[in-house]
Amino acid sequence: DVKVTQSSRYLVKRTGEKVFLECVQDMDHENMFWYRQDPGLGLRLIYFSYDVKMKEKGDIPEGYSVSREKKERFSLILESASTNQTSMYLCASSLFNTEAFFGQGTRLTVV
Amino acid sequence: GENVEQHPSTLSVQEGDSAVIKCTYSDSASNYFPWYKQELGKRPQLIIDIRSNVGEKKDQRIAVTLNKTAKHFSLHITETQPEDSAVYFCAAPEGLTGGGNKLTFGTGTQLKVEL
Repeated sequence: DVKVTQSSRYLVKRTGEKVFLECVQDMDHENMFWYRQDPGLGLRLIYFSYDVKMKEKGDIPEGYSVSREKKERFSLILESASTNQTSMYLCASSLFNTEAFFGQGTRLTVV
Repeated sequence: GENVEQHPSTLSVQEGDSAVIKCTYSDSASNYFPWYKQELGKRPQLIIDIRSNVGEKKDQRIAVTLNKTAKHFSLHITETQPEDSAVYFCAAPEGLTGGGNKLTFGTGTQLKVEL
C-alpha cells in the first residue's frame, strides 16, 4: 500500500517566518509534486521533481523553493511566509505516467 | 506546456441521473488521462484512467471516453448516488525530455447528487 505522508496536518506561522513542509513517500516513486489547493482554483502545481536533486518549476513557483536530497523526501520551503500563502498544501508522488498518490494535506495559516 | 480546461465547475443532478464532466488538453503528445475524486476533507484519489491506445474504459458506473483528435476526454457517471457527491479533477501528465512528468490538473468540478 503506497503511503505519502506530510509532516503536519495543521500549521500556523507568522508573516516573515521561514516555513518547511515535508513529504515522504515509501514506494520508490521518481516523481514528486507540491500543489496548493484554494477554493475555485483547483490543484495548482508549485514545484515538482523527477529525481534526486532535480526540480522543475510548476505554474505558481513564486515565493517557494524545494529540496530533494533523498528520493523518498520532497520538501517545500516558504522563504518568507506571507498571508497570501495561507492555503491547503498537498504533496503527491508517482511513477512515470501512472497514478499519483497524495498525502493528507497541510492546512497552513499565515498570520 | 500542458493546459487542461475542465467544465462545468459545478454540477447538480438528481439521484439516479447521469453526470458528465469534460476536459480538454493542449499537448498532443499526452497519452495518459486520469480522473481523481476528492471527498470533503480527504485527499484526491484515482477513480479511473485511460491511455491513448483506447477510446473508452468502463468500471461499473463510471466510464471515461477519449477523443485524441479533438484533444478532449470525459468522465461519465451513471445512476448517480449521494456518495458520488465530491469534487472531480481531470489531469494530463506532460512528459519532459529530461525525464519525469509534469502533472497538471483541471480546476475541478463540484458534483452534488440530490435526493
